[in-house]
Amino acid sequence: DAGVIQSPRHEVTEMGQEVTLRCKPISGHNSLFWYRQTMMRGLELLIYFNNNVPIDDSGMPEDRFSAKMPNASFSTLKIQPSEPRDSAVYFCASSAGTVNTEAFFGQGTRLTVV
Amino acid sequence: AQKVTQAQTEISVVEKEDVTLDCVYETRDTTYYLFWYKQPPSGELVFLIRRNSFDEQNEISGRYSWNFQKSTSSFNFTITASQVVDSAVYFCALAGTASKLTFGTGTRLQVTL
Repeated sequence: DAGVIQSPRHEVTEMGQEVTLRCKPISGHNSLFWYRQTMMRGLELLIYFNNNVPIDDSGMPEDRFSAKMPNASFSTLKIQPSEPRDSAVYFCASSAGTVNTEAFFGQGTRLTVV
Repeated sequence: AQKVTQAQTEISVVEKEDVTLDCVYETRDTTYYLFWYKQPPSGELVFLIRRNSFDEQNEISGRYSWNFQKSTSSFNFTITASQVVDSAVYFCALAGTASKLTFGTGTRLQVTL
């Protein structure tokens, strides 16, 4: 059974460019999470979807960040325009319940903005 | 607000030693859930365990064991007879019934031969 699939695994982009990260959750899971991991701030929840609906986006840093989940099998996290401080590893995770059930993580996308 | 504290930033042990990773949490929720995740050098986060606040029984899974004590707000993780493959960053996390999952800062475990 395939786990959470994220693409790309690595992304290097120039400041000001648009970046789109993609995620395919585990089939049958109804919750999807986007996390960001940095040395300074650790693991932070950016946004949480349940049944494709955004439930909590309080962790989205600013308007440059947006996330969508058009269907149960796909989600995107977009940064426009990107800045060097956005450099981080972005994880997508999915679960069969809500925030308090075990989440299964993808391998992450390492984003570098130069 | 909820908070998870992993005071040990890094631990180094020699293979076959036992090691305990500490986790202390704060929450105002009466019902909450505690987790441990492992992040090996490959980078992905691997789920290890989930416990709810009403179940204080210790849990053992092979060489791994967890000690949950509400009286001290702690959920410690012990690896018995550590192995090199246990080298990773371990995260403790907390979620209330409706609140988002809050991670600790992680403990890096280095197991050497």
